[in-house]
Amino acid sequence: GNSVTQMEGPVTLSEEAFLTINCTYTATGYPSLFWYVQYPGEGLQLLLKATKADDKGSNKGFEATYRKETTSFHLEKGSVQVSDSAVYFCALLSQAGTALIFGKGTTLSVSS
Amino acid sequence: EAGVTQFPSHSVIEKGQTVTLRCDPISGHDNLYWYRRVMGKEIKFLLHFVKESKQDESGMPNNRFLAERTGGTYSTLKVQPAELEDSGVYFCASSPLGVTQYFGPGTRLTVL
Repeated sequence: GNSVTQMEGPVTLSEEAFLTINCTYTATGYPSLFWYVQYPGEGLQLLLKATKADDKGSNKGFEATYRKETTSFHLEKGSVQVSDSAVYFCALLSQAGTALIFGKGTTLSVSS
Repeated sequence: EAGVTQFPSHSVIEKGQTVTLRCDPISGHDNLYWYRRVMGKEIKFLLHFVKESKQDESGMPNNRFLAERTGGTYSTLKVQPAELEDSGVYFCASSPLGVTQYFGPGTRLTVL
Protein backbone atom coordinates (compact mmCIF):
# COMPACT_ATOMS: atom_id res chain seq x y z
CA GLY A 1 0.00 0.00 0.00
CA ASN A 2 0.88 3.67 -0.07
CA SER A 3 3.11 4.99 2.67
CA VAL A 4 5.39 7.88 3.62
CA THR A 5 8.56 7.63 5.68
CA GLN A 6 10.16 10.69 7.27
CA MET A 7 13.41 11.00 9.10
CA GLU A 8 13.11 10.69 12.86
CA GLY A 9 13.30 13.86 14.84
CA PRO A 10 13.75 16.05 16.66
CA VAL A 11 16.10 18.08 14.52
CA THR A 12 17.93 20.79 16.42
CA LEU A 13 19.77 23.50 14.50
CA SER A 14 21.33 26.88 15.07
CA GLU A 15 19.99 29.88 13.22
CA GLU A 16 21.28 30.18 9.63
CA ALA A 17 22.14 26.47 9.43
CA PHE A 18 21.20 24.36 6.41
CA LEU A 19 18.16 22.14 6.81
CA THR A 20 17.31 18.84 5.18
CA ILE A 21 14.37 16.69 6.24
CA ASN A 22 14.26 13.42 4.35
CA CYS A 23 11.03 11.99 3.00
CA THR A 24 10.58 8.87 0.90
CA TYR A 25 7.36 7.33 -0.29
CA THR A 26 5.83 4.14 -1.60
CA ALA A 27 2.94 4.46 -4.01
CA THR A 28 1.51 3.05 -7.18
CA GLY A 29 1.31 5.36 -10.15
CA TYR A 30 2.14 9.04 -9.87
CA PRO A 31 1.10 10.56 -6.57
CA SER A 32 1.10 14.24 -5.71
CA LEU A 33 3.50 15.13 -2.90
CA PHE A 34 3.15 17.74 -0.17
CA TRP A 35 4.90 19.27 2.79
CA TYR A 36 2.69 20.62 5.55
CA VAL A 37 3.90 22.57 8.58
CA GLN A 38 2.37 22.95 12.02
CA TYR A 39 3.65 25.91 14.02
CA PRO A 40 3.23 25.81 17.82
CA GLY A 41 -0.41 26.27 18.77
CA GLU A 42 -1.61 26.37 15.19
CA GLY A 43 -3.13 24.03 12.61
CA LEU A 44 -1.59 22.41 9.56
CA GLN A 45 -0.54 24.75 6.80
CA LEU A 46 0.40 23.75 3.30
CA LEU A 47 4.05 24.65 2.81
CA LEU A 48 4.67 23.42 -0.73
CA LYS A 49 3.65 20.77 -3.21
CA ALA A 50 4.67 19.00 -6.41
CA THR A 51 2.33 17.09 -8.66
CA LYS A 52 4.65 15.38 -11.13
CA ALA A 53 8.15 14.02 -11.42
CA ASP A 54 10.99 16.59 -11.43
CA ASP A 55 8.66 19.35 -10.25
CA LYS A 56 10.15 21.58 -7.57
CA GLY A 57 7.87 23.06 -4.97
CA SER A 58 9.05 26.15 -3.12
CA ASN A 59 7.75 28.57 -0.52
CA LYS A 60 9.23 30.78 2.24
CA GLY A 61 12.76 29.71 1.29
CA PHE A 62 11.91 26.01 1.53
CA GLU A 63 12.27 23.72 -1.49
CA ALA A 64 11.55 20.11 -2.34
CA THR A 65 11.99 18.26 -5.63
CA TYR A 66 9.83 15.31 -6.68
CA ARG A 67 12.32 12.53 -7.48
CA LYS A 68 10.56 9.55 -8.98
CA GLU A 69 13.75 7.54 -9.48
CA THR A 70 14.50 7.63 -5.75
CA THR A 71 10.85 8.00 -4.63
CA SER A 72 11.87 10.98 -2.51
CA PHE A 73 10.67 14.49 -1.71
CA HIS A 74 13.27 15.88 0.68
CA LEU A 75 12.65 19.29 2.24
CA GLU A 76 15.53 21.78 2.23
CA LYS A 77 16.20 25.31 3.35
CA GLY A 78 19.49 27.09 3.02
CA SER A 79 19.33 29.20 6.17
CA VAL A 80 16.81 28.44 8.91
CA GLN A 81 15.39 30.99 11.32
CA VAL A 82 14.05 30.64 14.83
CA SER A 83 10.58 31.22 13.40
CA ASP A 84 10.92 28.00 11.36
CA SER A 85 10.64 25.95 14.54
CA ALA A 86 7.64 23.70 13.93
CA VAL A 87 6.57 20.17 13.06
CA TYR A 88 6.92 19.27 9.38
CA PHE A 89 4.81 16.60 7.72
CA CYS A 90 5.45 14.97 4.38
CA ALA A 91 2.33 13.61 2.66
CA LEU A 92 1.17 12.04 -0.56
CA LEU A 93 -2.09 11.90 -2.44
CA SER A 94 -2.35 8.89 -4.69
CA GLN A 95 -3.73 9.20 -8.18
CA ALA A 96 -6.75 7.09 -7.33
CA GLY A 97 -7.27 8.14 -3.74
CA THR A 98 -8.77 11.09 -1.97
CA ALA A 99 -7.03 10.75 1.36
CA LEU A 100 -3.68 12.29 2.18
CA ILE A 101 -1.22 9.79 3.61
CA PHE A 102 1.13 11.40 6.10
CA GLY A 103 4.51 10.64 7.55
CA LYS A 104 4.92 10.76 11.33
CA GLY A 105 6.18 14.33 11.33
CA THR A 106 9.59 15.81 12.12
CA THR A 107 10.01 18.36 14.87
CA LEU A 108 12.45 21.14 14.03
CA SER A 109 13.86 23.35 16.76
CA VAL A 110 16.00 26.33 15.76
CA SER A 111 17.95 28.28 18.38
CA SER A 112 19.50 31.73 18.09
CA GLU B 1 -11.29 34.62 2.50
CA ALA B 2 -11.90 32.81 5.76
CA GLY B 3 -10.05 29.55 6.27
CA VAL B 4 -11.34 26.27 7.62
CA THR B 5 -12.65 26.72 11.15
CA GLN B 6 -13.20 24.10 13.83
CA PHE B 7 -15.05 24.17 17.09
CA PRO B 8 -14.26 23.63 19.88
CA SER B 9 -10.51 24.06 19.98
CA HIS B 10 -10.27 21.84 23.03
CA SER B 11 -12.65 19.36 24.63
CA VAL B 12 -12.15 17.36 27.79
CA ILE B 13 -14.76 14.69 28.51
CA GLU B 14 -15.07 11.54 30.56
CA LYS B 15 -15.14 8.06 29.15
CA GLY B 16 -18.65 7.14 28.06
CA GLN B 17 -19.73 10.69 27.33
CA THR B 18 -20.64 12.09 23.92
CA VAL B 19 -18.75 14.80 22.08
CA THR B 20 -19.59 16.57 18.84
CA LEU B 21 -16.93 18.35 16.81
CA ARG B 22 -17.79 20.87 14.15
CA CYS B 23 -16.01 21.93 10.99
CA ASP B 24 -16.82 24.85 8.71
CA PRO B 25 -15.00 24.49 5.39
CA ILE B 26 -13.84 27.29 3.13
CA SER B 27 -16.85 28.69 1.33
CA GLY B 28 -17.44 26.97 -1.99
CA HIS B 29 -15.33 23.90 -1.22
CA ASP B 30 -17.36 20.81 -2.04
CA ASN B 31 -14.78 18.39 -0.62
CA LEU B 32 -14.51 18.03 3.14
CA TYR B 33 -12.25 15.63 5.01
CA TRP B 34 -11.75 14.52 8.60
CA TYR B 35 -8.40 13.31 9.91
CA ARG B 36 -7.12 12.35 13.34
CA ARG B 37 -3.73 12.34 15.01
CA VAL B 38 -3.42 10.16 18.05
CA MET B 39 -0.47 11.01 20.30
CA GLY B 40 2.85 10.18 18.65
CA LYS B 41 1.29 8.59 15.61
CA GLU B 42 0.69 9.65 12.02
CA ILE B 43 -2.19 11.83 10.97
CA LYS B 44 -4.78 9.34 9.73
CA PHE B 45 -7.67 9.85 7.33
CA LEU B 46 -11.16 9.25 8.67
CA LEU B 47 -13.59 10.16 5.91
CA HIS B 48 -14.35 12.31 2.88
CA PHE B 49 -17.51 14.15 1.87
CA VAL B 50 -18.36 15.55 -1.51
CA LYS B 51 -21.09 18.03 -0.78
CA GLU B 52 -23.43 16.11 1.53
CA SER B 53 -22.46 12.63 0.34
CA LYS B 54 -19.92 10.37 2.02
CA GLN B 55 -17.44 9.40 -0.68
CA ASP B 56 -15.04 7.41 1.43
CA GLU B 57 -15.40 6.49 5.07
CA SER B 58 -12.82 3.72 5.07
CA GLY B 59 -10.84 5.37 7.85
CA MET B 60 -13.63 5.56 10.43
CA PRO B 61 -12.40 3.42 13.33
CA ASN B 62 -15.73 1.98 14.44
CA ASN B 63 -19.45 2.67 14.73
CA ARG B 64 -18.98 4.97 17.71
CA PHE B 65 -18.03 7.64 15.20
CA LEU B 66 -20.73 9.35 13.15
CA ALA B 67 -20.06 12.13 10.64
CA GLU B 68 -22.66 14.25 8.93
CA ARG B 69 -22.68 17.10 6.48
CA THR B 70 -26.23 18.29 6.15
CA GLY B 71 -26.82 20.63 3.24
CA GLY B 72 -23.26 20.24 2.07
CA THR B 73 -21.93 23.06 4.22
CA TYR B 74 -20.54 22.46 7.70
CA SER B 75 -19.84 19.01 9.05
CA THR B 76 -20.07 17.42 12.47
CA LEU B 77 -18.23 14.43 13.87
CA LYS B 78 -19.86 12.78 16.85
CA VAL B 79 -18.16 10.29 19.12
CA GLN B 80 -20.61 8.29 21.23
CA PRO B 81 -19.66 6.88 23.65
CA ALA B 82 -16.11 8.20 23.87
CA GLU B 83 -13.29 5.85 24.89
CA LEU B 84 -9.81 6.65 26.18
CA GLU B 85 -8.20 5.73 22.87
CA ASP B 86 -10.25 8.40 21.08
CA SER B 87 -8.02 11.11 22.57
CA GLY B 88 -6.07 13.04 19.99
CA VAL B 89 -6.29 15.98 17.62
CA TYR B 90 -9.07 15.93 15.05
CA PHE B 91 -8.39 17.90 11.90
CA CYS B 92 -10.81 18.98 9.24
CA ALA B 93 -9.75 19.95 5.74
CA SER B 94 -11.51 21.21 2.65
CA SER B 95 -10.67 21.34 -1.02
CA PRO B 96 -12.32 22.76 -4.12
CA LEU B 97 -11.09 20.09 -6.53
CA GLY B 98 -9.76 17.31 -4.36
CA VAL B 99 -6.02 17.82 -4.79
CA THR B 100 -4.76 20.50 -2.42
CA GLN B 101 -6.41 20.25 0.97
CA TYR B 102 -6.59 23.18 3.38
CA PHE B 103 -6.64 22.31 7.04
CA GLY B 104 -8.30 23.82 10.05
CA PRO B 105 -6.58 24.39 13.40
CA GLY B 106 -7.84 21.09 14.82
CA THR B 107 -9.80 20.11 17.90
CA ARG B 108 -7.83 18.57 20.73
CA LEU B 109 -9.97 15.89 22.38
CA THR B 110 -9.02 14.47 25.74
CA VAL B 111 -11.01 11.53 27.12
CA LEU B 112 -10.44 10.88 30.83
